[in-house]
Amino acid sequence: DTEVTQTPKHLVMGMTNKKSLKCEQHMGHRAMYWYKQKAKKPPELMFVYSYEKLSINESVPSRFSPECPNSSLLNLHLHALQPEDSALYLCASSLTGGPFSSPLHFGNGTRLTVT
Amino acid sequence: KQEVTQIPAALSVPEGENLVLNCSFTDSAIYNLQWFRQDPGKGLTSLLLIQSSQREQTSGRLNASLDKSSGRSTLYIAASQPGDSATYLCAVTQSTGGGADGLTFGKGTHLIIQP
Repeated sequence: DTEVTQTPKHLVMGMTNKKSLKCEQHMGHRAMYWYKQKAKKPPELMFVYSYEKLSINESVPSRFSPECPNSSLLNLHLHALQPEDSALYLCASSLTGGPFSSPLHFGNGTRLTVT
Repeated sequence: KQEVTQIPAALSVPEGENLVLNCSFTDSAIYNLQWFRQDPGKGLTSLLLIQSSQREQTSGRLNASLDKSSGRSTLYIAASQPGDSATYLCAVTQSTGGGADGLTFGKGTHLIIQP
């Protein structure tokens, strides 16, 4: 079992829907990440939060909106998505980032299908 | 821009063999390198993390080496077992001046261990 919990496990949404992905960890980690993974491809970084502040946004379209309400929670709000946004969305956390980065711990992901 | 390459893309070997997976990266200014395994439809499990000042790390039957100056890492798996079948991903954390940094992944090696 992973120590990073993502909900829901599967999500099907229409292009006009608004939905949210949730991620939670209770390991005391202060860096949290969103990655997107298409089939048979490596994960691609979307966002990084460090001490609850957005530190990296890898030019992600505004239809994806991250939120870090506290150090244990990370949300990804979805609105007006396109079918090509269908993918596995992975959340990860690490104790800290930067020069002495600790290992990243990944959740099992949310499988998103946009119809 | 950092590029991470993994060779081979796929590997199938009989149970019990020792094997080596290769990873190379173009920019040697990294904080660390991490090896993950990913089972189908699941998140990533961290196997080993090597800081840029280290040469190798060991965990059980796994040994990872790092030659930062030449931009190479290897993952050695001893006495392979069918349960080792998975996709193995190599990822590096870039030195961008502090804060939490995301990982750049290779495309992975799909490993099958035949019983």
